[in-house]
Amino acid sequence: EDQVTQSPEALRLQEGESSSLNCSYTVSGLRGLFWYRQDPGKGPEFLFTLYSAGEEKEKERLKATLTKKESFLHITAPKPEDSATYLCAVQAGSYIPTFGRGTSLIVHP
Amino acid sequence: DAGVIQSPRHEVTEMGQEVTLRCKPISGHDYLFWYRQTMMRGLELLIYFNNNVPIDDSGMPEDRFSAKMPNASFSTLKIQPSEPRDSAVYFCASSDRGEQYFGPGTRLTVT
Repeated sequence: EDQVTQSPEALRLQEGESSSLNCSYTVSGLRGLFWYRQDPGKGPEFLFTLYSAGEEKEKERLKATLTKKESFLHITAPKPEDSATYLCAVQAGSYIPTFGRGTSLIVHP
Repeated sequence: DAGVIQSPRHEVTEMGQEVTLRCKPISGHDYLFWYRQTMMRGLELLIYFNNNVPIDDSGMPEDRFSAKMPNASFSTLKIQPSEPRDSAVYFCASSDRGEQYFGPGTRLTVT
């Protein structure tokens, strides 16, 4: 059974304080790993897809990286508008992703 | 494309009533998913369709839940009869085998 574990559950940062969110996974035959952002009262919004170990993707202050066992979402010099819940999902043999529980990020001004 | 469209955005109903949630996926996407999200259980997959055909409904909690996809541009999730424990946010998402695109969700409250 595919498993996805995200840590920490919650993270509080000061504006400008860089940090990383972790997504550990156990899956047979990874097709892709996805990162989503979810704002309160909204649906998850797609950020990145990573397909193989060593791959990196960047968007503004976010950079996602992938190894054979985990993915990191690095947030550089975060701003209050980066506050959200970040979800990780893995897609294996089928095209059906398995989601983690998410990391709730709050960035204080 | 306007993205995934869901209606209604909010639904408040009394226990025992029938509830129907609606979803219009992104045109051209051949997968459609229904999820339920709560604080306790996170995001749960209820059912998914491929080319309008239900593939896996093992996440549907009970026989009170049913879903249909009569054509490529419309799907419904029905709860009959509804119970207070069904209160949650229900999301519809569509994909073309890769990343999923989610609708804004329907917040259901059963009193």
